[in-house]
Amino acid sequence: KAGVTQTPRYLIKTRGQQVTLSCSPISGHRSVSWYQQTPGQGLQFLFEYFSETQRNKGNFPGRFSGRQFSNSRSEMNVSTLELGDSALYLCASSDGPEAYGYTFGSGTRLTVV
Amino acid sequence: LAKTTQPISMDSYEGQEVNITCSHNNIATNDYITWYQQFPSQGPRFIIQGYKTKVTNEVASLFIPADRKSSTLSLPRVSLSDTAVYYCLVGGAGNTGKLIFGQGTTLQVKP
Repeated sequence: KAGVTQTPRYLIKTRGQQVTLSCSPISGHRSVSWYQQTPGQGLQFLFEYFSETQRNKGNFPGRFSGRQFSNSRSEMNVSTLELGDSALYLCASSDGPEAYGYTFGSGTRLTVV
Repeated sequence: LAKTTQPISMDSYEGQEVNITCSHNNIATNDYITWYQQFPSQGPRFIIQGYKTKVTNEVASLFIPADRKSSTLSLPRVSLSDTAVYYCLVGGAGNTGKLIFGQGTTLQVKP
């Protein structure tokens, strides 16, 4: 069974640009969550989608947005990039609203210069 | 989600048993206890989950006392490849994808 796939693996962007990251969950998993990991703040929850609906959202500015498609694949977008957005962005999927074990992808390393 | 407290770091030697304790004094009745392992530049990996008493799988054991206010992850005979950050999380089954990670415990295994 394929794991959670995140693309691209690495990305370098310039301040002010926008970026879109992609996540393909494990087949059959309908819940997709996104996290930001930085050395200073650790792992922080961004948002979660289930069946194309955002069910939960963390404390991030509106520049961070996401969506989920009918095949459960998800994308997150960050607009007007700031240097502080440099981080490892992780996606996790689970197989239902009541599941608590999550499978994470390897992440996308975003560097903003 | 309940707040957890873990040691920031631990050192061990290859072949030893390592026990990492997590405090979660405000755990709710329907909360589960879950441990994740994370290597640098990778996503966290689910290790084990439990509700009460003891749970064992092929990589670890999880001990939970009757009051459930703490839990201990036990790694038998660690190797260098067990060097990683270990996170303890508590939460209910219906927490809709929002996992609250603390700072975790950095385990350094030495030869």
